[in-house]
Amino acid sequence: GENVEQHPSTLSVQEGDSAVIKCTYSDSASNYFPWYKQELGKGPQLIIDIRSNVGEKKDQRIAVTLNKTAKHFSLHITETQPEDSAVYFCAASETSGTYKYIFGTGTRLKVLA
Amino acid sequence: SAVISQKPSRDICQRGTSLTIQCQVDSQVTMMFWYRQQPGQSLTLIATANQGSEATYESGFVIDKFPISRPNLTFSTLTVSNMSPEDSSIYLCSVSNISRNEQYFGPGTRLTVT
Repeated sequence: GENVEQHPSTLSVQEGDSAVIKCTYSDSASNYFPWYKQELGKGPQLIIDIRSNVGEKKDQRIAVTLNKTAKHFSLHITETQPEDSAVYFCAASETSGTYKYIFGTGTRLKVLA
Repeated sequence: SAVISQKPSRDICQRGTSLTIQCQVDSQVTMMFWYRQQPGQSLTLIATANQGSEATYESGFVIDKFPISRPNLTFSTLTVSNMSPEDSSIYLCSVSNISRNEQYFGPGTRLTVT
């Protein structure tokens, strides 16, 4: 089955700097890769996603890149702000037709003012 | 995206009792899922709630411990039975429509078992 690894587990950046979180997956047939932001005391919020027929997707200060050959995808946050501080999870869809996700282990991002 | 609510938002329960968590969506959805998130950990899928039939459980989760109902396309319940302190977690429901594959999560239920 699918396995997703996520690095780093914690990341501290200065306000205004960029942050990059990386995930690798094992099933080359996976075709959908969402990213979630979870703030303290809240449920995960879908912030951006990418499908396997696209190499990059941007939405304002966040972007996701996908390298299908290497089986990895990354989240890029530019011009970080204190409100970006949260735990971020990547996920990959299973290809068994069950519409299930396999989640990464999470990255705790701290943006230092 | 769908608006998802969960009840209760948090609870403190005694060992050996059961708690039923409700998940309500503001529109009809194809898929509903239940996850467990232990403190400081990632999300682990408990089961897929199937409308009108028995839920599909993941390895390590059984119906006797986590019975699930899904009477219609907007509502589901998860019961945590015969609770022990190890069941202290956040329980999350998520919803998806198979045409899009995106999952949206509810706010979670924070359960503490003493």
